[in-house]
Amino acid sequence: QSALTQPASVSGSPGQSVTISCTGTRSDVGAYNYVSWYQQYPGKAPRIIIYDVSKRPSGASDRFSGSKSGNTASLTISGLQAEDEADYYCNSYTTSSTLVFGGGTKLTVL
Amino acid sequence: EVQLVESGGGLVQPGGSLRLSCAASGFTLSTFWMTWVRQAPGKGLEWVANIKQDGNERYYVDSGKGRFTISRDNAKNSLFLQMNSLRAEDTAVYYCARAGVVAGITPWDWGQGTLVTVSS
Repeated sequence: QSALTQPASVSGSPGQSVTISCTGTRSDVGAYNYVSWYQQYPGKAPRIIIYDVSKRPSGASDRFSGSKSGNTASLTISGLQAEDEADYYCNSYTTSSTLVFGGGTKLTVL
Repeated sequence: EVQLVESGGGLVQPGGSLRLSCAASGFTLSTFWMTWVRQAPGKGLEWVANIKQDGNERYYVDSGKGRFTISRDNAKNSLFLQMNSLRAEDTAVYYCARAGVVAGITPWDWGQGTLVTVSS
């Protein structure tokens, strides 16, 4: 049950795009299309922004998009805004019927 | 409106026990997978356990096996996490989460969390 690997931090200027990677194994990210992404502000509960690799819940900004290639999933945030500054976590279902999160990525909007 | 309200957190000594509860409202609990996720102070999210709609399938993080028990009472719209033999490293905010309507087991709606502190 090792955590998925995410960069500790990423940054970008307003209007730019950033991509956060999430690397797992053939037993989690690579096994199913059940990768989700969460946004979390300090002191708040996480909020789902992407599910099933690339689907957006209603209410989530269309500036968020997800993809996957092999054992690595990615979250892209386009047209960065100040409000996007937050922590982002990936999550995957595993072949052991468990869930596993990534270590989290802190996004800084410069 | 979906609401999840956790309770039962607090300060406990190492080796002690706590039972967390999650009161669900705004939906029918019996139709959803439910999950516990924790977050140690200043750290990332960690999946702890989940339980199928009828309670017949339960899965745990390795560090919780043999110490934690997830359960549910669908008639009372409640989810529980019994935690025994608590360790300092169990100190965290514990969130309960409901799976999505269109995403079978993926945590979707979250409570605000309850803080568990394990310390002497």
